[in-house]
Amino acid sequence: GESVGLHLPTLSVQEGDNSIINCAYSNSASDYFIWYKQESGKGPQFIIDIRSNMDKRQGQRVTVLLNKTVKHLSLQIAATQPGDSAVYFCAETPGGGADGLTFGKGTHLIIQP
Amino acid sequence: DGGITQSPKYLFRKEGQNVTLSCEQNLNHDAMYWYRQDPGQGLRLIYYSQIVNDFQKGDIAEGYSVSREKKESFPLTVTSAQKNPTAFYLCASSRGLAGVGLGGANVLTFGAGSRLTVL
Repeated sequence: GESVGLHLPTLSVQEGDNSIINCAYSNSASDYFIWYKQESGKGPQFIIDIRSNMDKRQGQRVTVLLNKTVKHLSLQIAATQPGDSAVYFCAETPGGGADGLTFGKGTHLIIQP
Repeated sequence: DGGITQSPKYLFRKEGQNVTLSCEQNLNHDAMYWYRQDPGQGLRLIYYSQIVNDFQKGDIAEGYSVSREKKESFPLTVTSAQKNPTAFYLCASSRGLAGVGLGGANVLTFGAGSRLTVL
């Protein structure tokens, strides 16, 4: 079946460096993508989203890139801080309906001091 | 502050017992959801509700039941029929189900979760 997955389960970066978290999706009908951040023992928090008619969207210290040709999504975090340590999930949905969201397994980002 | 409140945060259950997890939101959101999270896995949808007195099964509804008697509340009951109930349960809400623009109805606001352990 269709699935959303991440290339790396754990990513370790030095504080202050930039980090890139990748996500591959297989449902070619997906047209809306979201990144969530989940800190230990808490619920996921929305970071940024993007529609399939865009290839890049920027937020505060975060950028999401979408490559529909290879069905690849990435989250770039600039100048990482200790508070960025968390599990990051990508989610995708065809048609944009929240009931159709499919979540990836998550990447654990570790910020080294 | 608006948000979603889940309770209890931790719950222990003996095999064969039903337990109910509470979820309350004061965001005036129409849609509410229950997800299950297991270690190393993505979130899986159990049930969702678009409107009061109406709800639909998600991908893993077997062994679970819900009700939506009030807009603000969407309790989840984990029944004895659920064969592997130990997990982290997340409740979420959104303005609606239909995707409109960015950061709109699609964006889920999550509660802090309830961890259920079966002894």
